[in-house]
Amino acid sequence: QVQLQESGPGLVKPSETLSLTCNVSGGSINNYYWSWIRQPPGKGLEWIGYIYYIGTTTKNPSLKSRVTLSVDTSKSQFSLQLSSVTPADTAAYYCARVGPISGSSWYFDFWGQGTLVTVSA
Amino acid sequence: SYELTQPPSVSVSPGQTANITCSGDKLGDKYACWYQQKPGQSPILVIYQDKKRPSGIPERFSGSNSGNTATLTISGTQAVDEADYHCQAWDSNTVVFGGGTKLTVL
Repeated sequence: QVQLQESGPGLVKPSETLSLTCNVSGGSINNYYWSWIRQPPGKGLEWIGYIYYIGTTTKNPSLKSRVTLSVDTSKSQFSLQLSSVTPADTAAYYCARVGPISGSSWYFDFWGQGTLVTVSA
Repeated sequence: SYELTQPPSVSVSPGQTANITCSGDKLGDKYACWYQQKPGQSPILVIYQDKKRPSGIPERFSGSNSGNTATLTISGTQAVDEADYHCQAWDSNTVVFGGGTKLTVL
């Protein structure tokens, strides 16, 4: 059973960079897409972006200019950096695996438990 | 950009059938999937590729997708099914989520 675990600071100051890492265990990071999704308190899910194990990325256009995604297959980890954060970036951040791709079928079959990141001075 | 619309809330009596809709332009031409999320927990995939159930998901969960609407159906709804449900689709290399629907079982 694939398991994902997010790690990183729970508090980030405005204008600084939010950095999170997702550790993948119980399965290979190779040959899959991996994604970050966030959820502001009391609100819906927002897709941030995804990265293929070889490093190819696609990002949400609304966040693209502030998002950096990276992957380290030797450590079975992938990471998110979100720059110039504001209180509006306060959210639970989830990492997730994209299930086996079939045409336009994209879905997330395994999720991390999520980590709450608060942006505040 | 592509948008998916869900009703904010749906109520159902125990044992009855709950239908949760997700609307988007020509959504039936895309694949839809559904996640269940209980308070304080991460989402769980309950339906993918419109109507397929992952291993471990009860048979009372089913899905359909046609025209502009995808529907998650829960037959014989149980109290344990009370949760938020999110639809999701993929369009032009981007992932889109609906706003989520709170299902109340009362």
